[in-house]
Amino acid sequence: DGGITQSPKYLFRKEGQNVTLSCEQNLNHDAMYWYRQDPGQGLRLIYYSQIVNDFQKGDIAEGYSVSREKKESFPLTVTSAQKNPTAFYLCASSIIPGQASGWANVLTFGAGSRLTVL
Amino acid sequence: AQSVTQLDSHVSVSEGTPVLLRCNYSSSYSPSLFWYVQHPNKGLQLLLKYTSAATLVKGINGFEAEFKKSETSFHLTKPSAHMSDAAEYFCVVSINDYKLSFGAGTTVTVRA
Repeated sequence: DGGITQSPKYLFRKEGQNVTLSCEQNLNHDAMYWYRQDPGQGLRLIYYSQIVNDFQKGDIAEGYSVSREKKESFPLTVTSAQKNPTAFYLCASSIIPGQASGWANVLTFGAGSRLTVL
Repeated sequence: AQSVTQLDSHVSVSEGTPVLLRCNYSSSYSPSLFWYVQHPNKGLQLLLKYTSAATLVKGINGFEAEFKKSETSFHLTKPSAHMSDAAEYFCVVSINDYKLSFGAGTTVTVRA
């Protein structure tokens, strides 16, 4: 079945450590996204990538980094510079918005990774 | 700027009764609007989308939403709630091809 796989599902980190969250998709989607979810705040965009070897900052990119070396993979690194990293992180993907998508950027989401900083 | 406001943070209904989740949007042009559902500790799943075709949009699991431009609303309804509908629901508006604005979410509980 096609979908998005995020790992690990749960992760604990000590303050000052970097951690990398994995996101892999087999949907042949060109665009991939990382969102952060906090209780009562909806989802906020961290980074997105429209194509391999290219990515753009979202609304809350500070303290995060990404890479897009392969179409299928879009890992997110939460660095020690992120002041409040405890959150639920969601990866998503989509086809390039256009006629095929009905001009709507419909996202397919992974199951999420919950990061807790101790 | 495009944004959405979900008017209820929590809705509680009895099984078999109607569900209404309210969403108002703000947009300078005809927007693309979506409803997503999230079950505990899971990713989000698309329920339905509006992209300036029919104003009454039917989605999965018996949900539907009506786009009302005069009221800038996109409320989500279901005639009869099921226990499996207990989840968090997000109203979403498209800002551009790649950016979406999510509402804060409405948590639905269903009483037996």
